[in-house]
Order: sequence, then C-alpha cells, then structure tokens
Amino acid sequence: GENVEQHPSTLSVQEGDSAVIKCTYSDSASNYFPWYKQELGKRPQLIIDIRSNVGEKKDQRIAVTLNKTAKHFSLHITETQPEDSAVYFCAASPPNDYKLSFGAGTTVTVRA
Amino acid sequence: DVKVTQSSRYLVKRTGEKVFLECVQDMDHENMFWYRQDPGLGLRLIYFSYDVKMKEKGDIPEGYSVSREKKERFSLILESASTNQTSMYVCGTGDYEQYFGPGTRLTVT
Repeated sequence: GENVEQHPSTLSVQEGDSAVIKCTYSDSASNYFPWYKQELGKRPQLIIDIRSNVGEKKDQRIAVTLNKTAKHFSLHITETQPEDSAVYFCAASPPNDYKLSFGAGTTVTVRA
Repeated sequence: DVKVTQSSRYLVKRTGEKVFLECVQDMDHENMFWYRQDPGLGLRLIYFSYDVKMKEKGDIPEGYSVSREKKERFSLILESASTNQTSMYVCGTGDYEQYFGPGTRLTVT
C-alpha cells in the first residue's frame, strides 16, 4: 500500500516568516494530494489539494508544489499568522480510489 | 454544509467489553471511513464503505469490524476492547474531499 512520510514533525516560525512542510509518497500511481489542517480540539479540514497533472497550486498565502518524478510534494505558507498554528497533514490517494493515506502530521507554531 | 456527527465525544470502557461507535452524515455521500488518530502517527484507515452493506479493510482492521445498514450511518465495532485500542476515533465521509466528525476519544481500562 501507499506510504506517506512527512517532515518535520514540529515547526516553529516567527510571525510573518514562511513555513514549509514536505511529504514523500511511495506509490507512483498516486494522483491526488490533499493537505488538511487540524486546529486544537477541532476536526481536520481540507485547505488545499493538487492533482498529478499540475505542478503547483496557490490559494492566497498557501501553495502546494508537486514533483512526480521525485514523488514528493510540499506545503508552503507565506506571511504566517498566529491562526496558522495547527497540525497539518498531507495525504495521497491512488487513481479511481477515495482512500487517503495520511502523513504523521506537522505541528506548526507561529510565534508572535 | 456537510454535517458529520459521532455518537460520543468521550467514552470509557473496560477491557473485554463490546464497544459501538456510530457516525452519521447528512449529505448523502456514498463513501464513509473510520480512522484512528494517534499522536505522531496521523490518521490511519481502519475500514471504509463505498455503499450500504459494502465494506473493505483499511490499513489497520485487526480487532475492529464495521456495519453499514443505512447510507447515512456507519458503525465501528470493537468486539472485545483492549487497552491498545485506547485512541481517538474519527469518522469521515466524502469523495476526494473528506469531511470529518468531531472524533470520539475512547479510553479502555
């Protein structure tokens, strides 16, 4: 099955700086890569996703990049704010399948 | 707005007890999922269902079973709870975008 590795496990950044989280996946057939954000005590919510036919996608301060050859994808958060503090999960899904394999999560802390 | 609800937020059970966790979604989604969430391990798929009465094993099905008698309802069953099943259990539904329930924190003593 799919194996998704996520790094780092914790990340502390100064408010206004950028944060980058990286994930690698094992199944070269995977073609859908979402990112979920889970605030303390709340349920995970989708913040951005990318499909394998695209190399980069942006939504305001967040962006995701995908390198299919290297089988890795990254989440970039620019101009971080205190409300960006949360646990972020990457995931991967094979074609024609809605099952998600999640990474272990990254706890992001934005220091004021 | 998709609503996914779970029967309990907190549950304490004794070793050997049979435990039922229920999930209900109101958006007519065909797919429903049960995950287990542990610190440092992310969300791990226990079972999923593509339709009523259909189920497939996920990555960690041992010690669990599921039931889906109605489209909106997906139950996770621990036949004989053990202490290593103490965890947060999260239900999900959806297609590529998944919507999650609030989670049930189960403690087995």
